[in-house]
Amino acid sequence: KQEVTQIPAALSVPEGENLVLNCSFTDSAIYNLQWFRQDPGKGLTSLLLIQSSQREQTSGRLNASLDKSSGRSTLYIAASQPGDSATYLCAVGTYGQNFVFGPGTRLSVLP
Amino acid sequence: EAGVAQSPRYKIIEKRQSVAFWCNPISGHATLYWYQQILGQGPKLLIQFQNNGVVDDSQLPKDRFSAERLKGVDSTLKIQPAKLEDSAVYLCASSPSGSYGYTFGSGTRLTVV
Repeated sequence: KQEVTQIPAALSVPEGENLVLNCSFTDSAIYNLQWFRQDPGKGLTSLLLIQSSQREQTSGRLNASLDKSSGRSTLYIAASQPGDSATYLCAVGTYGQNFVFGPGTRLSVLP
Repeated sequence: EAGVAQSPRYKIIEKRQSVAFWCNPISGHATLYWYQQILGQGPKLLIQFQNNGVVDDSQLPKDRFSAERLKGVDSTLKIQPAKLEDSAVYLCASSPSGSYGYTFGSGTRLTVV
């Protein structure tokens, strides 16, 4: 059964810093991986979707990479802004299973 | 395009009471999901519908939870009787058939006291 972990659980950085969020998964037989953003009291917004055949995806200041063999994905946020403050979750789609979410990283960007 | 609608936004009930949540997915989305998100954890899938049929309900506590999507459009999730550990946010999501483009609703925050 797929298990997903995220490190760190929480992160606080000053505005303008570049940062990296980590996601690890135990079963490498995945078909894709998604990064979501969750604001307090709201649902999840999909940020990036990486297919298993891809190494990375980019959207604006966000870049997500995938290393299936090592069971890792990273979300890189460039030039962080206070508006980036939210919880970031990764979700892994594994063959024969539904999406499994990690517990999330709670990010605070201080002005 | 209207998003996924959920109601109510908040609900407080006593243990052993019953509660129901409603979800209206994006028009045309064949797949509907109910997730439970306990504070500090990622969402956990409770049930997945494809049109009005159940695809996966392996993690649904069937002794107390039930869900239906009678006409393949909106859906209701019920808990009866509620336990303290059911306190969580219940999220509904939908996607077009065969797509991984999930759209989530804002969720219902349930507190069982």
